[in-house]
Amino acid sequence: SYELTQPPSVSVSPGQTARITCSGDALPKKYPYWYQQKSGQAPVLVIYEDSKRPSGIPERFSGSSSGTMATLTISGAQVEDEADYYCYSTDSSGNHVVFGGGTKLTVL
Amino acid sequence: QVQLVQSGSELKKPGASVKVSCKASGYTFTSYAMNWVRQAPGQGLEWMGWINTNTGNPTYAQGFTGRFVFSLDTSVSTAYLQISSLKAEDTAVYYCARLAADWGQGTLVTVSS
Repeated sequence: SYELTQPPSVSVSPGQTARITCSGDALPKKYPYWYQQKSGQAPVLVIYEDSKRPSGIPERFSGSSSGTMATLTISGAQVEDEADYYCYSTDSSGNHVVFGGGTKLTVL
Repeated sequence: QVQLVQSGSELKKPGASVKVSCKASGYTFTSYAMNWVRQAPGQGLEWMGWINTNTGNPTYAQGFTGRFVFSLDTSVSTAYLQISSLKAEDTAVYYCARLAADWGQGTLVTVSS
């Protein structure tokens, strides 16, 4: 079955740039999306269709893709950005959704 | 605004069944598919499948066939997830989601004797 692969953890100091990657064979053809999930809360969409930012999401969040890898970049990470981040996309058929395993971002 | 409101937490014994509801408002219910996502304690998000709210046709992800059933009541804009023959490993938070942006608040299902 199709998989999206993320690093388990990323750690940065406040004000630094955090980059979280997501790799998958279908990503050149299927948009990646990114969620932020804080403890005990439902996921919140931070990037959709590769690089678009929903209203209300700070400009420091951005997305990009190259080939089979998508990247979520948090420029000038803040302590409040500490959370788990998940990429999601679909398989090549478009019928099945897949989530990456999640990346725990630590900002300290 | 779009809202997905799920039913409350459930505590069930192994072998029992549970039915989780997800009531939608703020949009035309039959215009968007409804997805179900599971999150076991301390684990990641796992897509369970989706239901076509126009036709009622469900699609189940690998590992979610047999004991898991998606259903609808379009008259009240509500989607349902039913899990039968519950096992301890079904303990999780279950989310309904109108991917990508809109999620329910989650329903904790605890299976314990």
